[in-house]
Amino acid sequence: EVQLVESGGGLVQPGGSLRLSCAASGFTFSSYAMSWVRQAPGKGLEWVSAISGSGGSTYYADSVKGRFTISRDNSKNTLYLQMNSLRAEDTAVYYCAKADQPIRFLGAFDIWGQGTMVTVSS
Amino acid sequence: EIVLTQSPGTLSLSPGERATLSCRASQSVSSSYLAWYQQKPGQAPRLLIYGASSRATGIPDRFSGSGSGTDFTLTISRLEPEDFAVYYCQQYGSSGWTFGQGTKVEIK
Repeated sequence: EVQLVESGGGLVQPGGSLRLSCAASGFTFSSYAMSWVRQAPGKGLEWVSAISGSGGSTYYADSVKGRFTISRDNSKNTLYLQMNSLRAEDTAVYYCAKADQPIRFLGAFDIWGQGTMVTVSS
Repeated sequence: EIVLTQSPGTLSLSPGERATLSCRASQSVSSSYLAWYQQKPGQAPRLLIYGASSRATGIPDRFSGSGSGTDFTLTISRLEPEDFAVYYCQQYGSSGWTFGQGTKVEIK
């Protein structure tokens, strides 16, 4: 079964840091680009960051550029999101999502994790 | 950045009725890189349609997508009780990925 399981969310103070993880199983992880998408409470979906299958290409939304870093460890089938200089507006459920086609960087997201909540508050 | 505008914000319909959801892009979406997702409360989004008109694996044929350029439509031919949810369009062809603000389909 294809599955994504996020972890690492929690409560952090403004200006703090947090690292999210996404463990993948059931597919050839290194063949697929991966993304992080977030959803603030009661709001819509916002794409945050993407990484190619090899990890050689990364892409960020303007709202997180310079503060968040996406990475992956293909030997561990795990995706990461390092979040620094966190702000109240970063409060959201963070989902990891898998690209629907192998190799291709641009694509829809066919598998999503259950999400992990990040709360930025003093 | 391509901005996606969905309409209406809320659609109130009865089971068995037809639902028509619109997604308009601020500029042309390349190669019809347009997807639709369904999200129910407390759940992750689920991919329904990709490439503007291709159904994802396991999606019933009452869901269909159409359109090109800047105007796209998701149609649910006959609403089932489990179809009442929020629907998002997404483009993935330019400057990253962007989502529309969502259309809520509620029971009338």
